Amino acid sequence: SQTIHQWPATLVQPVGSPLSLECTVEGTSNPNLYWYRQAAGRGLQLLFYSVGIGQISSEVPQNLSASRPQDRQFILSSKKLLLSDSGFYLCAWSLAGGSDTQYFGPGTRLTVL
Amino acid sequence: GQNIDQPTEMTATEGAIVQINCTYQTSGFNGLFWYQQHAGEAPTFLSYNVLDGLEEKGRFSSFLSRSKGYSYLLLKELQMKDSASYLCAVYGGFKTIFGAGTRLFVKA
Repeated sequence: SQTIHQWPATLVQPVGSPLSLECTVEGTSNPNLYWYRQAAGRGLQLLFYSVGIGQISSEVPQNLSASRPQDRQFILSSKKLLLSDSGFYLCAWSLAGGSDTQYFGPGTRLTVL
Repeated sequence: GQNIDQPTEMTATEGAIVQINCTYQTSGFNGLFWYQQHAGEAPTFLSYNVLDGLEEKGRFSSFLSRSKGYSYLLLKELQMKDSASYLCAVYGGFKTIFGAGTRLFVKA
């Protein structure tokens, strides 16, 4: 069966510090991978998605970036965090060429102070 | 433009039936999802409708009308654990767009 991992679960960072969130998927090959942000009481905002190694599409211009160095690894980064980067970050995967049913990781709650 | 509308909040009583509506206007349509999200947790998949009509899965059913751009999620025999947000999402044009979600409060 497939599983998706995210870490860390919670993170408190000062403004201007760097960020690295990691997501890995097990039990499937060549998945579509996604990064979302969810602000408190709000919907899911798609940040990045990837259909393969090194292939990243950005949905919202901002100070975040994503990389996919391996087939089942997806990393979200920032060089300098802003207060507005606080939120709940979710990684998700779906089968390539499927219905795009997405399965979410447990999430990382980021607080920027 | 892309737009998905759901009520922000609903309240229902334990044991009752509740219907959560979703209307959408999207540039493409392949199917419509419903996800459940408990507070502080990740969304989990509930249903996926491609064709018009009602699909039943235990206490939960989902309905789709493509011509009307309309769907609803029906929850029967409500339980306290059903208190959560319910997200409507449309898959079309190789992309899934999520609505803001409906927060459901189940009271005793």
